[in-house]
Amino acid sequence: GENVEQHPSTLSVQEGDSAVIKCTYSDSASNYFPWYKQELGKGPQLIIDIRSNVGEKKDQRIAVTLNKTAKHFSLHITETQPEDSAVYFCAAIPPGGGNKLTFGTGTQLKVEL
Amino acid sequence: NAGVTQTPKFQVLKTGQSMTLQCAQDMNHEYMSWYRQDPGMGLRLIHYSVGAGITDQGEVPNGYNVSRSTTEDFPLRLLSAAPSQTSVYFCASRGGTANQPQHFGDGTRLSIL
Repeated sequence: GENVEQHPSTLSVQEGDSAVIKCTYSDSASNYFPWYKQELGKGPQLIIDIRSNVGEKKDQRIAVTLNKTAKHFSLHITETQPEDSAVYFCAAIPPGGGNKLTFGTGTQLKVEL
Repeated sequence: NAGVTQTPKFQVLKTGQSMTLQCAQDMNHEYMSWYRQDPGMGLRLIHYSVGAGITDQGEVPNGYNVSRSTTEDFPLRLLSAAPSQTSVYFCASRGGTANQPQHFGDGTRLSIL
């Protein structure tokens, strides 16, 4: 089955700096890669996703890049703000496996004033 | 729309007790899933359903039962609770077309003594 590794497990940045979270996946057939943000006491919420036919996607301060050859994808947050503090999860889905998200182990991002 | 609603939010059980975690969605989604979240392990799929009357096992199904008698509801049953089932449980749903994002509830925090 699919295996997703996520690094780092914790990340502390100063407000205004950029943050990068990296994930690698094992199944080369995986074709959909969502990123979720989880705030304390809440369920994960989708913040951005990328499909395997695209190398990069951007939404305001958030961007995701995908390297299919190396089987890794990354989340980039620019101009970080205190409200970006949360746990971020990457995930991968193989073809036809729409319910079978395999999640990374999460990154606790702390944005310090 | 309320989205995905989980009840209860918190529960404490004794070993050997049974209980049902409720999940309901009002988005007419075909797909529903149950995950458990444990520290350092991300979210792991327990059971999922691709439509009313159809369920299947995920990564960690042992000790849990599910049923899907309606599109809206997807309860998770613990028949004989064990301390290893202490966790945060999330229900999710998504639409039926490929690579649709999952919508998560806010979780049930379950402690088994």
